[in-house]
Amino acid sequence: DAGVIQSPRHEVTEMGQEVTLRCKPISGHNSLFWYRQTMMRGLELLIYFNNNVPIDDSGMPEDRFSAKMPNASFSTLKIQPSEPRDSAVYFCASRGGLAGHEQYFGPGTRLTVT
Amino acid sequence: AQSVAQPEDQVNVAEGNPLTVKCTYSVSGNPYLFWYVQYPNRGLQFLLKYITGDNLVKGSYGFEAEFNKSQTSFHLKKPSALVSDSALYFCAVRALSGTYKYIFGTGTRLKVLA
Repeated sequence: DAGVIQSPRHEVTEMGQEVTLRCKPISGHNSLFWYRQTMMRGLELLIYFNNNVPIDDSGMPEDRFSAKMPNASFSTLKIQPSEPRDSAVYFCASRGGLAGHEQYFGPGTRLTVT
Repeated sequence: AQSVAQPEDQVNVAEGNPLTVKCTYSVSGNPYLFWYVQYPNRGLQFLLKYITGDNLVKGSYGFEAEFNKSQTSFHLKKPSALVSDSALYFCAVRALSGTYKYIFGTGTRLKVLA
């Protein structure tokens, strides 16, 4: 398996622009997580889905952030409009079924908002 | 409230010496506990987990961890450190109530000195 796939790997954008981050989870996994990592705040859970349904979005910082999972093999995290303080590394992770309690992380998207 | 604490921001150890990275947790009921490692510019990588059974669990790259229920700890250990073990280590606990989300510690940077 190719593991969790994220795109793009790097994104540089100007303040006010819309940013869309993409994630393909490991095939067969039924839970998907979006995290943000910064030096100041460490690793933060933004939202997670179970069977394509959002379960907990309490970590989404504000209405500028939205996430969707239209099917079991694809999810997006959108920031509109973006701000410099959104600069961070965004990770997607997936987890599989009842037997697999551990999460598998993608390589991350490094977002820079200027 | 459920939480995970990694009391040390950084641990330094000489190559060949045993290493310990500490983790304590607070959770209702029986916890699921995990250790992850993050190398520079990479996603988190699963090392090992405790779900049930033996208190000493073995994982990847010669790492092991001991679950201690009375001390609510899950310290990561390795008998002989390698320079290549230098990385950022995260402890995590999975809540078994509410939204069942994962809670990560703030991370401990391990530096193995040659």
